[in-house]
Amino acid sequence: QKEVEQNSGPLSVPEGAIASLNCTYSDRVSQSFFWYRQYSGKSPELIMSIYSNGDKEDGRFTAQLNKASQYVSLLIRDSQPSDSATYLCAVKGGGNKLTFGTGTQLKVEL
Amino acid sequence: GAGVSQSPSNKVTEKGKDVELRCDPISGHTALYWYRQSLGQGLEFLIYFQGNSAPDKSGLPSDRFSAERTGGSVSTLTIQRTQQEDSAVYLCASSSNTDNYYGYTFGSGTRLTVV
Repeated sequence: QKEVEQNSGPLSVPEGAIASLNCTYSDRVSQSFFWYRQYSGKSPELIMSIYSNGDKEDGRFTAQLNKASQYVSLLIRDSQPSDSATYLCAVKGGGNKLTFGTGTQLKVEL
Repeated sequence: GAGVSQSPSNKVTEKGKDVELRCDPISGHTALYWYRQSLGQGLEFLIYFQGNSAPDKSGLPSDRFSAERTGGSVSTLTIQRTQQEDSAVYLCASSSNTDNYYGYTFGSGTRLTVV
């Protein structure tokens, strides 16, 4: 079992819709969770972090965490073509290094 | 500097040659990480430096890979006797705090191609 799992996609949503990206992790002692956006040919860019159960909102982005289910998600409201990218889920446990999923490719269609 | 700086941005080398990749972290960031990303794959952890502590080398794939960090700042990743499977984008990241609640800032990466 991979430590951090994501559906590779592509996930296609129409412009203006809500995109929902999901991630599960295997290490129960994981303490913090991050979402990175990676455009093709570019390096990952941190867009959200979450540490406590529940929702955390930042502009059009909402991160959701459920530690009991070992599940973290990212919602993107009012999706724009510029949101088309690969979204990487990353988990940090007690070792100070991030473990990344393989990413979900999001395509926002006009 | 303003961001994490990596050089070179692209490197093509012949199989069997040694290569050195450089990372200059954000000024004041004490933690430095190396990852690599193969085509269509996720990020694979290689090595982690924190201050003057012994580095976490648990992700280095073989003894052909080594890294050092001089003066707590610039880091060099060295790959000896390169193989074709070493072809990937090598990403460096730095962080201002080793607290679990901080993410990383990545550099733009070095694309290594072994021919």
